[in-house]
Amino acid sequence: GAGVSQSPSNKVTEKGKDVELRCDPISGHTALYWYRQSLGQGLEFLIYFQGNSAPDKSGLPSDRFSAERTGGSVSTLTIQRTQQEDSAVYLCASSPPWGGDYGYTFGSGTRLTVV
Amino acid sequence: GQQLNQSPQSMFIQEGEDVSMNCTSSSIFNTWLWYKQEPGEGPVLLIALYKAGELTSNGRLTAQFGITRKDSFLNISASIPSDVGIYFCAGKNFGNEKLTFGTGTRLTIIP
Repeated sequence: GAGVSQSPSNKVTEKGKDVELRCDPISGHTALYWYRQSLGQGLEFLIYFQGNSAPDKSGLPSDRFSAERTGGSVSTLTIQRTQQEDSAVYLCASSPPWGGDYGYTFGSGTRLTVV
Repeated sequence: GQQLNQSPQSMFIQEGEDVSMNCTSSSIFNTWLWYKQEPGEGPVLLIALYKAGELTSNGRLTAQFGITRKDSFLNISASIPSDVGIYFCAGKNFGNEKLTFGTGTRLTIIP
């Protein structure tokens, strides 16, 4: 597609449930990033995929968080046993290889609310 | 994780005024980026800076890469209603594709 697509746009879940967030990057972009934005805060890095290389998972806050990228395209961020502190907007971005110097293209995000 | 400090946190200005905001870091960056985020949307890149001392303009926006590599500022001239949003700085280093984001400056324009 023309831009980075994320779904769902909003998700309300009960504490303790698992959630899956989906990201469709721009076609041809080999790099894909997940960031988290808590209310009134800046963006916090979670994970980075570059082509077939092992992902950089250094930003994942706990082992309840995981992400995969199938076929070098679509990515899914999974949060297990959600907690209220997981409530945030989860932003996905993509770029050409080593495109960080030129900025990424962000999606509109998934707003996750854990009740 | 590490965050950059932006100031001010929020600004309330009248339409037509100029705006200035800055971003400081305890460590150096090789690239500075400025983004704008509107409600319900992801951040959109405004300006990218690649060299210490560099001054770059994009329409009414001007940004500078600090000579120490530890700071950057963004100016908006003659503000208009559509400038409303949250402005984020971001820093990047060579060989590391992660961006470190600032805490944001929320701009509100009073008609």
